[in-house]
Amino acid sequence: EAGVAQSPRYKIIEKRQSVAFWCNPISGHATLYWYQQILGQGPKLLIQFQNNGVVDDSQLPKDRFSAERLKGVDSTLKIQPAKLEDSAVYLCASSLSRSGRARSYEQYFGPGTRLTVT
Amino acid sequence: AQSVTQLGSHVSVSEGALVLLRCNYSSSVPPYLFWYVQYPNQGLQLLLKYTSAATLVKGINGFEAEFKKSETSFHLTKPSAHMSDAAEYFCAVSDEDSNYQLIWGAGTKLIIKP
Repeated sequence: EAGVAQSPRYKIIEKRQSVAFWCNPISGHATLYWYQQILGQGPKLLIQFQNNGVVDDSQLPKDRFSAERLKGVDSTLKIQPAKLEDSAVYLCASSLSRSGRARSYEQYFGPGTRLTVT
Repeated sequence: AQSVTQLGSHVSVSEGALVLLRCNYSSSVPPYLFWYVQYPNQGLQLLLKYTSAATLVKGINGFEAEFKKSETSFHLTKPSAHMSDAAEYFCAVSDEDSNYQLIWGAGTKLIIKP
């Protein structure tokens, strides 16, 4: 079974530029998550999708971040314009479902995209 | 509100020694508990999970964790450390109150001394 795919793996941009990250979840996984992980910290949830609908985007800085999940499969996360404090690893994860069973909440992570803003 | 506390941002053990990484959580309802490992420049990999079945949970790579409700703890152990265990370890909790989102600890970096 193929895992969660993310690209690019690394990105360096200057502040005020824009950047986009792509994620392809595990086939059949209804729920997709984007996390931001700053060095030395645990992941912070940015947005959660169930199929192609947004479940939670309460921690997404909507003035500069946007995300979409067209057709309930692939997802893109965009930052425009980037700030220095956006330097972090952006992790995508997927899980089977939000419904009842704990196994369904088990999240599978991609390798992440390391963003450096200069 | 749910929270996870991992005691010690860095833990150093000798190769072959016991590994003990501590995790305490707060949850007002029955939780699901997880340990994830993150190797350098990689994503997070699930080590093991507690889902209200057996309180002693065995995971991959020889790790295990015990759910102790009275102590609100879910400490991770391994009898004998290997150099390949050097990584960062994250404890996470989810429950109905968090809408089953993962609430993460800050992580513990495990250092293995030769």
